[in-house]
Amino acid sequence: NAGVMQNPRHLVRRRGQEARLRCSPVKGHSHVYWYRQLPEEGLKFMVYLQKENIIDESGMPKERFSAEFPKEGPSILRIQQVVRGDSAAYFCASSPGQGSSYNSPLHFGNGTRLTVT
Amino acid sequence: GDSVTQMEGPVTLSEEAFLTINCTYTATGYPSLFWYVQYPGEGLQLLLKATKADDKGSNKGFEATYRKETTSFHLEKGSVQVSDSAVYFCALSERGGGSNYKLTFGKGTLLTVNP
Repeated sequence: NAGVMQNPRHLVRRRGQEARLRCSPVKGHSHVYWYRQLPEEGLKFMVYLQKENIIDESGMPKERFSAEFPKEGPSILRIQQVVRGDSAAYFCASSPGQGSSYNSPLHFGNGTRLTVT
Repeated sequence: GDSVTQMEGPVTLSEEAFLTINCTYTATGYPSLFWYVQYPGEGLQLLLKATKADDKGSNKGFEATYRKETTSFHLEKGSVQVSDSAVYFCALSERGGGSNYKLTFGKGTLLTVNP
C-alpha cells in the first residue's frame, strides 16, 4: 500500500540547468498539490492539479516553473534555468478527489531536496 | 496574506513531560486550522484539525483548541513519549469547514523526547 512517492529524494543542479521533480500519488488519487519549503520558512502552496488539468497555480513563480499531471504517469514539477534561490524542499501531496475533496485527508510524500550550486 | 507563526525549536523534553507548542495565525475570514506531524524519514501526516472557533481537535493524546480571540491553536500533550519525537507543523486553510485547500504552514518545530 504505497503512499505518495517522490523522486529523487535529493537533487543537485548547477545554475542554469533544469530540474525535474516527480510525484506518484497514492493509487487511485486524482488530485495533486505541490508545496515548497524554503530554508527557515514554512511550506508554501505552489500548484494544485487534477488529471490533465491545472486547477490553481497561484503559488507558482511566474517564470521558469511549470507543472503537469498527465493522464498516465507521475506529476512533474519542472524548473528551468535554476538559480540558487530555488534551493528548497519540494513536497507533493495527493488526495482522493471524491465527494468533498477539499476535506479529504492529504497524503504527503517525503519531499525532494533541491540544491543549486 | 495569511500566515502562521509557531514556536521555534528545537524542543527537548524527557519522557512523560508536558508539551506545549505555540501557534498563532493571521488570516482573513474563518480559516480551518491543522497540526501536521513529520516523523523521521516520512512525509507529513495530519495529526488533528479544528474547523471553527472553540473547536478542540484531538488525536493520539494531543489536543489543540481553536481560539479566535487570541488567533491561536496551541498544541498540547500531557505526557510525551519517545515515539513522539518528530517535526510538528501548524497550518491553516483559507477555506473553512475543514478544507485542506491551499494550506499555509508554519516553519515547523522539532521535538526530541529523551527516555
